[in-house]
Amino acid sequence: GAGVSQSPSNKVTEKGKDVELRCDPISGHTALYWYRQSLGQGLEFLIYFQGNSAPDKSGLPSDRFSAERTGGSVSTLTIQRTQQEDSAVYLCASSFEGLGGYTFGSGTRLTVV
Amino acid sequence: GDSVTQMEGPVTLSEEAFLTINCTYTATGYPSLFWYVQYPGEGLQLLLKATKADDKGSNKGFEATYRKETTSFHLEKGSVQVSDSAVYFCVLSTQGGSEKLVFGKGTKLTVNP
Repeated sequence: GAGVSQSPSNKVTEKGKDVELRCDPISGHTALYWYRQSLGQGLEFLIYFQGNSAPDKSGLPSDRFSAERTGGSVSTLTIQRTQQEDSAVYLCASSFEGLGGYTFGSGTRLTVV
Repeated sequence: GDSVTQMEGPVTLSEEAFLTINCTYTATGYPSLFWYVQYPGEGLQLLLKATKADDKGSNKGFEATYRKETTSFHLEKGSVQVSDSAVYFCVLSTQGGSEKLVFGKGTKLTVNP
């Protein structure tokens, strides 16, 4: 596609529920990144994919967070048993071979109530 | 680990004023440096970048020079406009491996007519 597409744009969920966030990167971009933007925390790296594999998961805050990527394209970030501190904007970015020139999606605003 | 420290805001200026947003970094190796901008209600956009020492990135009247000796990448613009009101992030890209981005906390700029 023309840009990085993320869905949903907004998600409100009850504490303890699971959520899935989707990212559709730019066609042909092999590298895909998830970041989280929280008030007072700035932007934090979560996970990096090169193709379908995730060589760097160092930013995932707990084992409630997981992500996968299929077909070298769409990625899903799953948060299990959501907590209020998970409330944030989750951003996805893609680039060609991780060479810079990252393009960000508009993000998913997650609110856990 | 790698980190970015940027001037805390908010910054409020009058139209046509001179802008400087300070940014310093700590990194192993030789990172690439970026300024990203987030306009109200929009996603993150790359403003400019520099990939090696003494490079100057420029775009839309903004400039920043990669200074290895002072580990700095200050953003400047000679005459700001109301439309420049946004949050500005200083960012580095780590070397090797994931090329993940490390963000500063962001500086909110408001330009008044």
